[in-house]
Amino acid sequence: AQSVTQLDSQVPVFEEAPVELRCNYSSSVSVYLFWYVQYPNQGLQLLLKYLSGSTLVKGINGFEAEFNKSQTSFHLRKPSVHISDTAEYFCAVRSLNDYKLSFGAGTTVTVRA
Amino acid sequence: ETGVTQTPRHLVMGMTNKKSLKCEQHLGHNAMYWYKQSAKKPLELMFVYSLEERVENNSVPSRFSPECPNSSHLFLHLHTLQPEDSALYLCASSPRLAGDEQFFGPGTRLTVL
Repeated sequence: AQSVTQLDSQVPVFEEAPVELRCNYSSSVSVYLFWYVQYPNQGLQLLLKYLSGSTLVKGINGFEAEFNKSQTSFHLRKPSVHISDTAEYFCAVRSLNDYKLSFGAGTTVTVRA
Repeated sequence: ETGVTQTPRHLVMGMTNKKSLKCEQHLGHNAMYWYKQSAKKPLELMFVYSLEERVENNSVPSRFSPECPNSSHLFLHLHTLQPEDSALYLCASSPRLAGDEQFFGPGTRLTVL
């Protein structure tokens, strides 16, 4: 079984400032890693995913994440946020041959002008 | 219409009512999922269908009854719900059961009075 911990429940940030959302996971097997974003009154949308290869993964809307196997982390970053990045962000993991996604509790990002 | 759609988007029901949530995917996927999203808790996987066969019933109370008449449609039938069942119910689909990204619908916001 896997578990995911998102270390920050809320992250306030000013427009054009950088943001980092922290995600740690635990698993006894190799996993795939995902970040999803949920805008108000909408479903989840995939931002990026790590399956294999380069540990630095680039996603949509200028987001990127780095997989660190030794620290079992998959932190999400954006160098300069916009008001429109205000949303809830979910980290998720899945073992390689399974369908079950294990989600973190989410991080609410509020971008202020 | 494209992607994964869910109806209704909002539902208020009493504890003695019977209602159904509908999900439709226009992506040609073979697997469909029901998740429950409660405030500040990780998403909970409720049911999984692959090629119209249920493959997961994650200890969900019998007052929730899923139905998958074909690979494009998924229903969640509700009866004698409790106030703690109030949540956002998300439907998702994926091309195959394992190894693929899940695409989410916008959800149904359920309030049980």
